[in-house]
Amino acid sequence: DGGITQSPKYLFRKEGQNVTLSCEQNLNHDAMYWYRQDPGQGLRLIYYSQIVNDFQKGDIAEGYSVSREKKESFPLTVTSAQKNPTAFYLCASSIKGNTEAFFGQGTRLTVV
Amino acid sequence: EDQVTQSPEALRLQEGESSSLNCSYTVSGLRGLFWYRQDPGKGPEFLFTLYSAGEEKEKERLKATLTKKESFLHITAPKPEDSATYLCAVPTDSWGKLQFGAGTQVVVTP
Repeated sequence: DGGITQSPKYLFRKEGQNVTLSCEQNLNHDAMYWYRQDPGQGLRLIYYSQIVNDFQKGDIAEGYSVSREKKESFPLTVTSAQKNPTAFYLCASSIKGNTEAFFGQGTRLTVV
Repeated sequence: EDQVTQSPEALRLQEGESSSLNCSYTVSGLRGLFWYRQDPGKGPEFLFTLYSAGEEKEKERLKATLTKKESFLHITAPKPEDSATYLCAVPTDSWGKLQFGAGTQVVVTP
């Protein structure tokens, strides 16, 4: 089945630790995205990538880092510099920019 | 500044009671408008893409329309399974950066 797989579904992190969220797609899409969703708020863009080895900052990139070494993978690292990391993180992909994006099922990160 | 505003924030409907959700946008050079459905704890599910004013798309009880400044999502004779948060989004640059609205939470009661 084609789709976008995010793992893990739930993640707990201690303060001061870096954690990496996985996102893999087998749709052969060029573009990939990371969004953050907080209760009662819309999705906010963290990073996006149109091609391998290239990515751009979104609206809330501070405290996050990404890599795009393979077309099908776009991992997100939440660093200790992110002051309020508890949120629902969503990965998406699209054939190219400006076409509809398809989302994974999300990772819920909680800082304990 | 590019903005996407959805109204109402929440909508409570009786089963069979049709209604419409609004998505208004301010963006230079519309490159498309997308509608999504999101269930609690899940990722958004793609519903429709609209590219030009006057365009309409339908899927089961949902119909999306587009004008030059806003889009409507019409829910006809809704059922409880239509309960969800409905999101709209527009690209704000040529790279596909999407600006999402805050969503409309729809609850349909039997």
